[in-house]
Amino acid sequence: DADVTQTPRNRITKTGKRIMLECSQTKGHDRMYWYRQDPGLGLRLIYYSFDVKDINKGEISDGYSVSRQAQAKFSLSLESAIPNQTALYFCATSDPPLAGVHNEQFFGPGTRLTVL
Amino acid sequence: QKEVEQDPGPLSVPEGAIVSLNCTYSNSAFQYFMWYRQYSRKGPELLMYTYSSGNKEDGRFTAQVDKSSKYISLFIRDSQPSDSATYLCASTVYNNNDMRFGAGTRLTVKP
Repeated sequence: DADVTQTPRNRITKTGKRIMLECSQTKGHDRMYWYRQDPGLGLRLIYYSFDVKDINKGEISDGYSVSRQAQAKFSLSLESAIPNQTALYFCATSDPPLAGVHNEQFFGPGTRLTVL
Repeated sequence: QKEVEQDPGPLSVPEGAIVSLNCTYSNSAFQYFMWYRQYSRKGPELLMYTYSSGNKEDGRFTAQVDKSSKYISLFIRDSQPSDSATYLCASTVYNNNDMRFGAGTRLTVKP
């Protein structure tokens, strides 16, 4: 079974609809992240969470909200979807960083979201 | 302007060629420099990273960071068709997982 899973894998919705993307992990990591990927722009961080009670905004949080329901679950919501939120969304997890060591972020398979 | 700039390519090379992938960055506080590899329809996975300046080698892959010029490089020797993927450079400040990614370079290695 995959260590980081995302549901749904594909979603088409209409402008103004509320959408929730879900992420679950079995790696036992405390840190979880949501990114979006757009052609020519690469990956951009939306929100990240260091534990259940610690949520932080990333580079592009406007129009998004998150919920960390448990150590293993981190959801991303689009309260009122708009077409420029059409993108590939990735969830990732990691251990906390240690001095001089980059702890790899483990990515899920992605959710392709289309907003019409 | 993005904090990490990367030429998106695409880049196409014959099997066995030496590949050079490059990024520049603007934030002098960056201490960690990563290369992630992303196969089609998959999430990125860490290839290698460098802390501060210098080189790091792992098999056919070498990562270089020149902090004086804010330049990040990845070299692939004896490239293989299985190396065909998108390569993403990323940087972050010490003890901070708020990574900033480049746009990614799509590489194709032709048999």
